[in-house]
Amino acid sequence: AQSVTQPDIHITVSEGASLELRCNYSYGATPYLFWYVQSPGQGLQLLLKYFSGDTLVQGIKGFEAEFKRSQSSFNLRKPSVHWSDAAEYFCAVGGYNFNKFYFGSGTKLNVKP
Amino acid sequence: GAGVSQSPSNKVTEKGKDVELRCDPISGHTALYWYRQRLGQGLEFLIYFQGNSAPDKSGLPSDRFSAERTGESVSTLTIQRTQQEDSAVYLCASSPDGGNQPQHFGDGTRLSIL
Repeated sequence: AQSVTQPDIHITVSEGASLELRCNYSYGATPYLFWYVQSPGQGLQLLLKYFSGDTLVQGIKGFEAEFKRSQSSFNLRKPSVHWSDAAEYFCAVGGYNFNKFYFGSGTKLNVKP
Repeated sequence: GAGVSQSPSNKVTEKGKDVELRCDPISGHTALYWYRQRLGQGLEFLIYFQGNSAPDKSGLPSDRFSAERTGESVSTLTIQRTQQEDSAVYLCASSPDGGNQPQHFGDGTRLSIL
């Protein structure tokens, strides 16, 4: 069955520290992977996506993610977190012409001053 | 105002009443999605439209839920005989052509069933 797991419900990091949010997926075909961010009171915004090619993808706001097929993972990283990054982050998987998308349950990021 | 628009933004209703939620996708986007987000949980896929047709309705949680789309534009999600477990934020998203294209999300309708 298709699914996405985000093992960390809440994460707290200090401003300026590095960040890694974990995402593991289960998918029967070539996955297309996405990270979305939902800031308080705002809608979901796409951070980055992976379709094919280079397994390290760059996104907006200084985020990057690495696709590791052998580990079925697509972890999100940022070298130095800013207070404005405090939000909820969702990993999602879908497939080409397979139009049902599966979202993880989200990871809430808190940023300490 | 080129984003996905949903209305109402908030809806409070009594158990047993019917509710209708509206989504205006980005103009020209042929694919439209409905999701449900319960408090503290991830997004739950409900239904997908390509144009005016919905090839996959398997995500609708019960026969009290229905959705339609007209003119390859506006979509409505209707919940009949609402139950307390229907309380959630209902999110709509659209994309240019479905498939692997990123979705653009609306701000959602927060539905509260008393």
